[in-house]
Formats: sequence, structure tokens, C-alpha cells
Amino acid sequence: EDKVVQSPLSLVVHEGDTVTLNCSYEVTNFRSLLWYKQEKKAPTFLFMLTSSGIEKKSGRLSSILDKKELFSILNITATQTGDSAVYLCAVAVGNQFYFGTGTSLTVIP
Amino acid sequence: NAGVTQTPKFQVLKTGQSMTLQCAQDMNHNSMYWYRQDPGMGLRLIYYSASEGTTDKGEVPNGYNVSRLNKREFSLRLESAAPSQTSVYFCATRMNTEAFFGQGTRLTVV
Repeated sequence: EDKVVQSPLSLVVHEGDTVTLNCSYEVTNFRSLLWYKQEKKAPTFLFMLTSSGIEKKSGRLSSILDKKELFSILNITATQTGDSAVYLCAVAVGNQFYFGTGTSLTVIP
Repeated sequence: NAGVTQTPKFQVLKTGQSMTLQCAQDMNHNSMYWYRQDPGMGLRLIYYSASEGTTDKGEVPNGYNVSRLNKREFSLRLESAAPSQTSVYFCATRMNTEAFFGQGTRLTVV
């Protein structure tokens, strides 16, 4: 059975801290791994990863994929209160996407 | 540039009532999806449509029906709503391996 597991389930940090969110997967026919940020409404796209070892960066956020060990990490440096959200990991398999349950990040001023 | 549009945004139903959630996209994508999101459960796939005229069950299809009448529109129908169907529903489309989401419908069944 295909599955995607995220950890931790929730995280509370202070502004300025660095956080690492984890996503591991067990799927057949892997095509890509995606990270989304979800605040009050629809998930918004952050990164798509298809190749191992190539880091994607966007400002204070970065992500990398390890296809051998079947996991990805999302790093956020110098966190801000605006980073508070649920971060979702999804794996594209065939015609479907499999989502993890998400990591809820709260950044305290 | 609307992207994926869902209607309604909020709905309250009584147990046993029926309703249809509408989803329309203007991105000319072939694949469309309906997910439900519940606390602690992540996004779970209800039904998907790989192309116009085709639909397939996802992880949690019971109690739902779908219709893909044309490329733009993919509707989700609850024939007899139950409190267990209280959830936030998202429609999404797919381009290659990236998903694009509507703004969601918050449905409460009392």
C-alpha cells in the first residue's frame, strides 16, 4: 500500500529558529514529491522534487529529495510568524497524489 | 486568471439532504480530483477523473458520486448527506506532476 508519512505532526518554535520538516514515502511508480503550504484555505505550491540530491531553494525555504532512502526534508531558516501553517508533502504516483497528514508549524514572536 | 473555482464556499446540510459541489477549471488540464480534508487525516482522495468522460474511485468514495461532463467541470454529489461527511472539500487539477487546488468548500452536516 502506498503511503506518505510526515514528521513531526506539530512543531512550535520561536521567531528566528530554523526548522526541518520530514517526509518519508513508500510508493510504487514514483514520479515526483511536492511540498505545499496550507494556511486557512487551499494549499499553495512550494517545491516539486524529482531528482535526488538537488536542493531547491526559495528565499528562506529549501528542500531536498533522497530517492534511495525515500525521504525529503523541508528546511525553513530564520522563521517568521508568517511561516505558521500546515506543511503538506505529496507524492505523485501514476494518476494520483498521495498526501501525508501534514506538519503543523506555529512560530511564536 | 481564475484557475480552479469551487462553489459553494460554505454549506450547511441536514442529514439526508442532497447537494452537488461544483468545480470548474480554466487551465485546460485533463486530470481533476476531489479530496476531503479532516483534522489529523490529511487530504484523502474521493474520486478522480483522468480525462473527460472517465472517473475512478479514490480512497474514500462511499457516499459520493461524481460527474465529468466536459473537460472544464467535475462535480461531486452527496445523495444523502451524513454527519461523517462534515469536512472541507478540495477540487484539484493536475499538470504533469503538479497539483493546483481550488479554495475549498466547508461542508457541515447536522
